[in-house]
Amino acid sequence: AQSVTQPDIHITVSEGASLELRCNYSYGATPYLFWYVQSPGQGLQLLLKYFSGDTLVQGIKGFEAEFKRSQSSFNLRKPSVHWSDAAEYFCAVGSFYGGSQGNLIFGKGTKLSVKP
Amino acid sequence: DAGVIQSPRHEVTEMGQEVTLRCKPISGHNSLFWYRQTMMRGLELLIYFNNNVPIDDSGMPEDRFSAKMPNASFSTLKIQPSEPRDSAVYFCASSLRQGAIGELFFGEGSRLTVL
Repeated sequence: AQSVTQPDIHITVSEGASLELRCNYSYGATPYLFWYVQSPGQGLQLLLKYFSGDTLVQGIKGFEAEFKRSQSSFNLRKPSVHWSDAAEYFCAVGSFYGGSQGNLIFGKGTKLSVKP
Repeated sequence: DAGVIQSPRHEVTEMGQEVTLRCKPISGHNSLFWYRQTMMRGLELLIYFNNNVPIDDSGMPEDRFSAKMPNASFSTLKIQPSEPRDSAVYFCASSLRQGAIGELFFGEGSRLTVL
């Protein structure tokens, strides 16, 4: 069965420091991978997605993620964190159901706090 | 363009009462998803529709939950009777299927508290 693991429940970084959020997935075929961000009281917003091709994908707000098939990972990175990046981040893998568009299976999320 | 619109944003009710959550997907999208978010279980898919037809409802907790999509612009999630353990944030999301997985656009959620 498909699954997503985000090993870190909560991470605190200083403003201006670099960030890496980890994501490991389990999927039998070529995965469709996503990172979403959720600010308090809000819905989820897509940061970036990987379907195929270049394994380093760029997203909004200066985020990027790298797909590593050998490690079943899709880690999210940002070179310099801003206070406004404080939020919860969700990794997700796309699932198919009977050939139709399936749903997304989400990890439990990583809450990011940013120190001034 | 308007995003996914959910109502109500907050609902407080007593155990045993019926709760109806509403969702208007983005115009032109042909897939609609209902998720539930809790601290303990994270984001769980309850049910999703393609072209107004329920495709997978295996995530619906029990018979107290039902969902409908009478047309392309409206869906409801109903809980009857409600229980305290149903307290959660319920998200609706929509997507445009183009032969493969598409981006899900989420509403702002309906926070349900069952006393």
